[in-house]
Amino acid sequence: DQQVKQNSPSLSVQEGRISILNCDYTNSMFDYFLWYKKYPAEGPTFLISISSIKDKNEDGRFTVFLNKSAKHLSLHIVPSQPGDSAVYFCAASSGGTSYGKLTFGQGTILTVHP
Amino acid sequence: EAQVTQNPRYLITVTGKKLTVTCSQNMNHEYMSWYRQDPGLGLRQIYYSMNVEVTDKGDVPEGYKVSRKEKRNFPLILESPSPNQTSLYFCASSPIGYTENTEAFFGQGTRLTVV
Repeated sequence: DQQVKQNSPSLSVQEGRISILNCDYTNSMFDYFLWYKKYPAEGPTFLISISSIKDKNEDGRFTVFLNKSAKHLSLHIVPSQPGDSAVYFCAASSGGTSYGKLTFGQGTILTVHP
Repeated sequence: EAQVTQNPRYLITVTGKKLTVTCSQNMNHEYMSWYRQDPGLGLRQIYYSMNVEVTDKGDVPEGYKVSRKEKRNFPLILESPSPNQTSLYFCASSPIGYTENTEAFFGQGTRLTVV
């Protein structure tokens, strides 16, 4: 049972344009969401997060939007740069006995063409 | 510098030969966990620990063991590896519970091949 889903395995965009990566979840207990970026032969690195009490969080070129009613979040990268080419994972966390655990989506490979 | 260090980075072994992957963190985090990454499945949690001597199963614990004798170390043990444990493994550490801008820190990964 995949509680966090990234339905697009890959995304290709031109440098300077917007990249939009999507993520859907099913567990209504999730209250904190994170995006990680992963380059080959490296571990995932934290990009941006959002708490369920917000619907938007911005950090430079990266913005995460959360739509709780649709159980959907998205990551916007504007403008996209070739160095953004990587695998992007969304992850979700809930409280209670799952404190600290992250549930990940399958990942989306982003390719930014010069 | 905040760091999670896991070793080895690459390992090829034979079926049934016990192995240990080490993990160490320097952030004094209570929570540590192991994940495996497989194509099309993302990262799945194997085991986690909320503090010294407190460990529990994650989503895919079969065939794995862990221990937490010190706060900074959380080794992953495969007592009798099988080919279906061929995967990319990540150790992670974080505070217990997430608040604004809290993150989990990941190691660089261990690519394990069991033949």
